[in-house]
Amino acid sequence: DAGVTQSPTHLIKTRGQQVTLRCSPKSGHDTVSWYQQALGQGPQFIFQYYEEEERQRGNFPDRFSGHQFPNYSSELNVNALLLGDSALYLCASTVVPETEAFFGQGTRLTVV
Amino acid sequence: GNSVTQMEGPVTLSEEAFLTINCTYTATGYPSLFWYVQYPGEGLQLLLKATKADDKGSNKGFEATYRKETTSFHLEKGSVQVSDSAVYFCAPSPPQYTGTASKLTFGTGTRLQVTL
Repeated sequence: DAGVTQSPTHLIKTRGQQVTLRCSPKSGHDTVSWYQQALGQGPQFIFQYYEEEERQRGNFPDRFSGHQFPNYSSELNVNALLLGDSALYLCASTVVPETEAFFGQGTRLTVV
Repeated sequence: GNSVTQMEGPVTLSEEAFLTINCTYTATGYPSLFWYVQYPGEGLQLLLKATKADDKGSNKGFEATYRKETTSFHLEKGSVQVSDSAVYFCAPSPPQYTGTASKLTFGTGTRLQVTL
């Protein structure tokens, strides 16, 4: 059983560019959440998708957007990249009503 | 919203020493409580969980008890190994009935280093 998979594993972008990160949830899971983890910090909740809609959002600007597809996979898009967007981006999946979240290995984004 | 306070790291222990990592939380309702572990260069793995007061979660020799009266969920292990070196995160989740079960609130984590 494949767990949560994320792609790519590493990415380097230039300030002002746009980036798309991808996540496939664990088999049978229907809810995807995205987190940003800056170096030395805990993960911060960005948003959550369920039934192809953004259900909840953390304190992140509109430059961060997402999408969920009918097969439950998800994308995270970040526009107008800033140096401060450099972080590990984690995807987590769950299935309602379970509370246990399964995390992917993350995408390491470096903005230069 | 929820919040978490974990003891400051890094925690450095010799192999076979006893480990305690303190965690206190603030939350509304009756959250589930989790400990996640992050090994170097990796994502988060669920270590253990407890879903109601007085429950004890356990896994791989680690234990934590859900103490609602003190809003704590301290992590313990009787004898640590070098392979336990990692960052440990305590996290409460919103109660299931809010429908946002997977929104987790993390603290800054506690880095554990175990030496021979």
